[in-house]
Amino acid sequence: KNEVEQSPQNLTAQEGEFITINCSYSVGISALHWLQQHPGGGIVSLFMLSSGKKKHGRLIATINIQEKHSSLHITASHPRDSAVYICAVSPYNNNDMRFGAGTRLTVKP
Amino acid sequence: DTAVSQTPKYLVTQMGNDKSIKCEQNLGHDTMYWYKQDSKKFLKIMFSYNNKELIINETVPNRFSPKSPDKAHLNLHINSLELGDSAVYFCASSRHSLLSGLTYEQYFGPGTRLTVT
Repeated sequence: KNEVEQSPQNLTAQEGEFITINCSYSVGISALHWLQQHPGGGIVSLFMLSSGKKKHGRLIATINIQEKHSSLHITASHPRDSAVYICAVSPYNNNDMRFGAGTRLTVKP
Repeated sequence: DTAVSQTPKYLVTQMGNDKSIKCEQNLGHDTMYWYKQDSKKFLKIMFSYNNKELIINETVPNRFSPKSPDKAHLNLHINSLELGDSAVYFCASSRHSLLSGLTYEQYFGPGTRLTVT
């Protein structure tokens, strides 16, 4: 079983919908990361968080350390949000990342 | 003014050859990484270097040898390439503090798609 599990694997939404992607992990962590991989292949870090909630524009990330769970929300989704969203964790005292399998999001106009 | 750059972007080669992928970062970061993304798009850490010293070496065949001439560069050399080495290889960098154990955001290069025929 992977240390980081994401759901759903694939998600199709209509433009304007509210989207939630979930991530659960099984190891002690110093931080959790949400990454976006564009169709062209590039990877961008969206959030790094160790507690609470962060917001950038239409994106919101939350984490519950006790439950070992994080969610990524996208409000008012747009076709340009179509990408693979990857959850990753940095274990305690370690700066590398362990990755989930990713969620492929398609937003239709 | 690219932050993390990799060359080449595409690499097609035959089994048994030796090849290198170069990575450079201009962010002044102390730590650099190599990740492999397989055909199912799953990412996995291969190596991590901090100030030119190896700090993480996951279970990677010793045909893969990272080389860090300075803290801005981490090159990946692969000997005797095999079909299973076909993947996209990503370089990344971050700040890192071995003493404090703090975690920092990582910045990724554009990836190198390696195809072994």
